[in-house]
Amino acid sequence: KQEVTQIPAALSVPEGENLVLNCSFTDSAIYNLQWFRQDPGKGLTSLLLIQSSQREQTSGRLNASLDKSSGRSTLYIAASQPGDSATYLCAVRSGGGADGLTFGKGTHLIIQP
Amino acid sequence: GAVVSQHPSRVICKSGTSVKIECRSLDFQATTMFWYRQFPKKSLMLMATSNEGSKATYEQGVEKDKFLINHASLTLSTLTVTSAHPEDSSFYICSARVAGGRYEQYFGPGTRLTVT
Repeated sequence: KQEVTQIPAALSVPEGENLVLNCSFTDSAIYNLQWFRQDPGKGLTSLLLIQSSQREQTSGRLNASLDKSSGRSTLYIAASQPGDSATYLCAVRSGGGADGLTFGKGTHLIIQP
Repeated sequence: GAVVSQHPSRVICKSGTSVKIECRSLDFQATTMFWYRQFPKKSLMLMATSNEGSKATYEQGVEKDKFLINHASLTLSTLTVTSAHPEDSSFYICSARVAGGRYEQYFGPGTRLTVT
């Protein structure tokens, strides 16, 4: 059974810093991996999706990498802003793509003004 | 594009009653919809997967007679919590997906259910 772990569970940094969030998964046979953002009491916003054949995806100040063989992904946030404060969730889709996502518990990020 | 809505956003009901939550894909046709449950400070737990026109597939440990899922059209899925108990209080999130391609999932804003 696929298990997804996110480290750290919580992170608080001053505004402007670059930071890295980590995600690991136990079964490397994934179809793709998605990073989401969740604000308190809200649904999920998709940030980046990386197909299993890809190594990284970029969107603005966000860069996600994928090392499928080692079961790891990182989300890099450049020049952090207070508006980046949220919980960041990593999720993987296993199998041929038809399966649902397996989520990590998230990293709760606080950017101090 | 790719907007998923849920209704209601919040609901309070009494123990023993049933409550229905709707999930709609507003600008695309979703061949598959997923229902998740999220406890405070916990990850999202997949409850069931439903494909349009067929019965939902429930995850292990999820009572199908308690959590009734109907996916009657390509844009609407409903989750009915029957005979609700306080332990059913949770945040329920639906997700919709188009088959093929990147299999990207789009999530609704969630429904906060409180059973008193």
